[in-house]
Amino acid sequence: DQQVKQNSPSLSVQEGRISILNCDYTNSMFDYFLWYKKYPAEGPTFLISISSIKDKNEDGRFTVFLNKSAKHLSLHIVPSQPGDSAVYFCAARNYGGATNKLIFGTGTLLAVQP
Amino acid sequence: NAGVTQTPKFRILKIGQSMTLQCTQDMNHNYMYWYRQDPGMGLKLIYYSVGAGITDKGEVPNGYNVSRSTTEDFPLRLELAAPSQTSVYFCASSPERGGGGELFFGEGSRLTVL
Repeated sequence: DQQVKQNSPSLSVQEGRISILNCDYTNSMFDYFLWYKKYPAEGPTFLISISSIKDKNEDGRFTVFLNKSAKHLSLHIVPSQPGDSAVYFCAARNYGGATNKLIFGTGTLLAVQP
Repeated sequence: NAGVTQTPKFRILKIGQSMTLQCTQDMNHNYMYWYRQDPGMGLKLIYYSVGAGITDKGEVPNGYNVSRSTTEDFPLRLELAAPSQTSVYFCASSPERGGGGELFFGEGSRLTVL
């Protein structure tokens, strides 16, 4: 049972345009949602997170939106740059757990074309 | 500032061999994790630890063992390697539960079992 889903395996965007990456989840007990970025042959690096009590969090060019009624979140990158080309993982943390165990989606490969 | 360090980066094993993936972190984090990533899949949690001497199973623990004798080190042991264990393994650490659930990842260890 995939609790965190990224239905788009890949996305191609022109430099300067907006990139929108989507993520759906099924467990209403998740209390934090995170986005990680991964370059080839490197470990994932944290990008941005959002608490389940918020509907938007912004950090520079990156904004995450959370729609709890739809169990959907999205990551917006504006403007997109070639260096943003990477795999983006959506992840969620279960409220009430003893650790920061995260459940990850399958990832979306973003290609930003110059 | 090393963060999370994993060794080896690459390894080829024969079926039935055993090996240990090493992981050490210098951030004084109590929580540590082992994830595996298979092609086209998200990261799956193998084992985790909330402190020295305390470990617990994640989603996919079969065929693996861990130990946590110090805060810094969290080795992952593969006994009787099987082709299904061909994967990229990531070690991660995090501070105590709280905040946004951010994990800090190592660069990964690519294991091939032939």
